[in-house]
Amino acid sequence: GDSVTQMEGPVTLSEEAFLTINCTYTATGYPSLFWYVQYPGEGLQLLLKATKADDKGSNKGFEATYRKETTSFHLEKGSVQVSDSAVYFCALILYNQGGKLIFGQGTELSVKP
Amino acid sequence: EAGVTQFPSHSVIEKGQTVTLRCDPISGHDNLYWYRRVMGKEIKFLLHFVKESKQDESGMPNNRFLAERTGGTYSTLKVQPAELEDSGVYFCASSLGQGGTDTQYFGPGTRLTVL
Repeated sequence: GDSVTQMEGPVTLSEEAFLTINCTYTATGYPSLFWYVQYPGEGLQLLLKATKADDKGSNKGFEATYRKETTSFHLEKGSVQVSDSAVYFCALILYNQGGKLIFGQGTELSVKP
Repeated sequence: EAGVTQFPSHSVIEKGQTVTLRCDPISGHDNLYWYRRVMGKEIKFLLHFVKESKQDESGMPNNRFLAERTGGTYSTLKVQPAELEDSGVYFCASSLGQGGTDTQYFGPGTRLTVL
């Protein structure tokens, strides 16, 4: 079935380190891909998205490129800050499934000063 | 503009009791979704309303769960009777349209603990 797999956490980095959170997907159709972020005590927020192959989503210094050939959507940031500490969720939507988001298990990121 | 709100933020109940969760979507959003995250696992889809109609309820775990959206505004999710495995965080989301180009806006979630 359709699914999303992301690297397990928790991930602990020092401030200004480079971040990669891997995300791969399995989909029967042609999905749109998303990264959501949940900061402590808050709801999920859309971080970035990409709707077709080779699209790059970007926001707040984070980037992810839709790679159809490797079915991946890895999240990257060149220099993390303490304020980036949160749980990150990779997700997909299939066009024929009415907007139902399929999520990965989430990756907790902790950035130390 | 107010975001998606959920009530209560936390609920602790005994096994066998009933709990009702409420979600108020962003005004004007016809699409309303319920999701659940159990024990730090992935967030799973429960169901999807378009206005007051259930478009997809394929994720509802069993008939102890009942969702309503009377009048196409706020929605309730009732669990009756609650079981231990129902513990988790219940998220509500809303969107204008559906599909890959319409952003779903999430509420802060309701943390349900069944003892």
